[in-house]
Amino acid sequence: SQTIHQWPATLVQPVGSPLSLECTVEGTSNPNLYWYRQAAGRGLQLLFYSVGIGQISSEVPQNLSASRPQDRQFILSSKKLLLSDSGFYLCAWARDRGLGEAFFGQGTRLTVV
Amino acid sequence: SQQGEEDPQALSIQEGENATMNCSYKTSINNLQWYRQNSGRGLVHLILIRSNEREKHSGRLRVTLDTSKKSSSLLITASRAADTASYFCATDETTGGGADGLTFGKGTHLIIQP
Repeated sequence: SQTIHQWPATLVQPVGSPLSLECTVEGTSNPNLYWYRQAAGRGLQLLFYSVGIGQISSEVPQNLSASRPQDRQFILSSKKLLLSDSGFYLCAWARDRGLGEAFFGQGTRLTVV
Repeated sequence: SQQGEEDPQALSIQEGENATMNCSYKTSINNLQWYRQNSGRGLVHLILIRSNEREKHSGRLRVTLDTSKKSSSLLITASRAADTASYFCATDETTGGGADGLTFGKGTHLIIQP
């Protein structure tokens, strides 16, 4: 069966520090991968998606970047965090070209102080 | 950008009652999905309805889709305290090639009073 792992679960980082959130998927190959951010009491905003190794598409301009060094690994990064980067970050994968359901990780609560 | 808009934003009912949540969207879609999120957790897929379907059932869940009105509803029958969660609709838009992810609404926070 397929599983998705996302870590860490919670993170408190000072302003200006770097960020690295990792997401890995098991049990499937060539998944579409996604990073979403959820502000408090809000819906999900798509940040990045990837259809293959090294292929990253960004939905919104921001202080963050993403990389996909391996087929089932998706990393969200920042060189210098801003207060506005605080939020709940969710990694997800989907089998098809967006035509099926998405499977989500448990999320990372990031607080920038 | 967010497409789906759920209504109401919050809903509180007694255990055993039915809960109905609505979702409206703006563009043409391939399918519409409903997800559930417990507080501080990831989203869990509940049900998917394709654009050529009008109604779908899964256990205590009933979803309808009206593409002419660009709206959907999620009905949870015989609610239980464990149904307390936030519910999101998500659309897979026909533009964008399909790989660019789902577009989520802001969600309905459902509270089931025991």
